[in-house]
Amino acid sequence: IVVTQSPDSLAVSLGERATINCKSSQSLLYSANNKYYLAWYQQKPGQPPKLLISWASNRESGVPDRFIGSGSGTDFTLTISSLQAEDMAVYYCQQYFSSVSTFGQGTKLEIK
Amino acid sequence: EVQLVESGGVVVQPGGSLRLSCAASGFNFDEYTIHWLRQAPGRGLEWVSLISWDGRTTNYAGSVKGRFTVSRDNRKNSVYLQMNSLSNEDTALYYCAKNMDSRNDGDRPLDYWGQGTLVTVSS
Repeated sequence: IVVTQSPDSLAVSLGERATINCKSSQSLLYSANNKYYLAWYQQKPGQPPKLLISWASNRESGVPDRFIGSGSGTDFTLTISSLQAEDMAVYYCQQYFSSVSTFGQGTKLEIK
Repeated sequence: EVQLVESGGVVVQPGGSLRLSCAASGFNFDEYTIHWLRQAPGRGLEWVSLISWDGRTTNYAGSVKGRFTVSRDNRKNSVYLQMNSLSNEDTALYYCAKNMDSRNDGDRPLDYWGQGTLVTVSS
């Protein structure tokens, strides 16, 4: 499964909304449990990735509610509703639907 | 506290071999699938391999299949990645990461990651 993110980089002003898209080459819906096998991670320089969102829209414990995952089928979105300075990072989507997991190429989020 | 600590990364010549280790603590290790991932300098994340909680299932990315072998020792709370026939393209920071759910063979997000160990393939 090929996962493609857009854009590759994004500059947003503090307090504004940031939107990152993720498209998979096939549906990530597992019909037996009606769940989308898609996660979002945040990676800051010199740190390992941090899981933000699982199952396309489930925010992990401790993740601020300004991070919102949405989407269905093959198209997914990570929205940061009001950008904070600490949100500067690279964001990755990951499909874990297939036995060989794959990541998008990453989106670098910068402050305008 | 969940901890994953990778080790074994060094500079190795093309064609060489290396074994990475991932030492885990803070959770019931023998109930969790462990994944290996890598990140080439300045590049994105690449999933490499997994070994299921019971060691019965292993999977590999196409780029490493036939060259890398993953194993685990539940008595030592450790996972290993044997890397053979290394090439420049294998130069990367290698992470191990924990599967989110217990007793699952790998189709889950990764909720804890180590800090990584650097493998450099160079003559």
